[in-house]
Amino acid sequence: EIVLTQSPGTLSLSPGERATLSCRASQSVSSSYLAWYQQKPGQAPRLLIYGASSRATGIPDRFSGSGSGTDFTLTISRLEPEDFAVYYCQQYGSSPRWTFGQGTKVEIK
Amino acid sequence: EVQLVESGGGLVQPGGSLRLSCAASGFTFSSYWMSWVRQAPGKGLEWVANIKQDGSEKYYVDSVKGRFTISRDNAKNSLYLQMNSLRAEDTAVYYCARDFVRFEYSSSAARFVYYYYMDVWGKGTTVTVSS
Repeated sequence: EIVLTQSPGTLSLSPGERATLSCRASQSVSSSYLAWYQQKPGQAPRLLIYGASSRATGIPDRFSGSGSGTDFTLTISRLEPEDFAVYYCQQYGSSPRWTFGQGTKVEIK
Repeated sequence: EVQLVESGGGLVQPGGSLRLSCAASGFTFSSYWMSWVRQAPGKGLEWVANIKQDGSEKYYVDSVKGRFTISRDNAKNSLYLQMNSLRAEDTAVYYCARDFVRFEYSSSAARFVYYYYMDVWGKGTTVTVSS
């Protein structure tokens, strides 16, 4: 079973700053199986990035993903007020079929 | 509009049963794998189960095997989760989600690859297991 570990647990930043979120896998993951989601309080998760680096439809270009193997990164170039939320990485595997990281909360400093 | 709407949540005693439903609209439901994902209060996301387009393959997270059953009715564009022998730790918001697979060229890999992700989510239904 592949475990995804996200860091940091909480990121305290100001609007306009750059956010760098990490997702580390316990074993190598195919980049095409790695996605990122944003979740705001009381809402369902929203797909941001698939294939480690491809933005989903309608996602602003301030969001970018990178990485391969066991280390993946989600970067928000300049934080907007609506970007303060919890972010999850996810991978598709064999057993279990889907695994999520524990999440990184991006909060206003 | 592509939409998933869950229903059926509520308060149930430990050991009890509940059946969740998810109504799909705006897309060809029978063409997609579908998943249930849950989120315990204040916790992260946990995938629970998924089911193939025709219902012939089903997969579960270990913690619900033997207690939960995922099913679908393509004629009704509906996904279900039958939950038996419920425990306090099953308390969560349960989301229905569409599993998306796309096969396209990856410039970084210099070949065609399969991409997997969940692209449509419902708003969730809350299940509380408590006496």
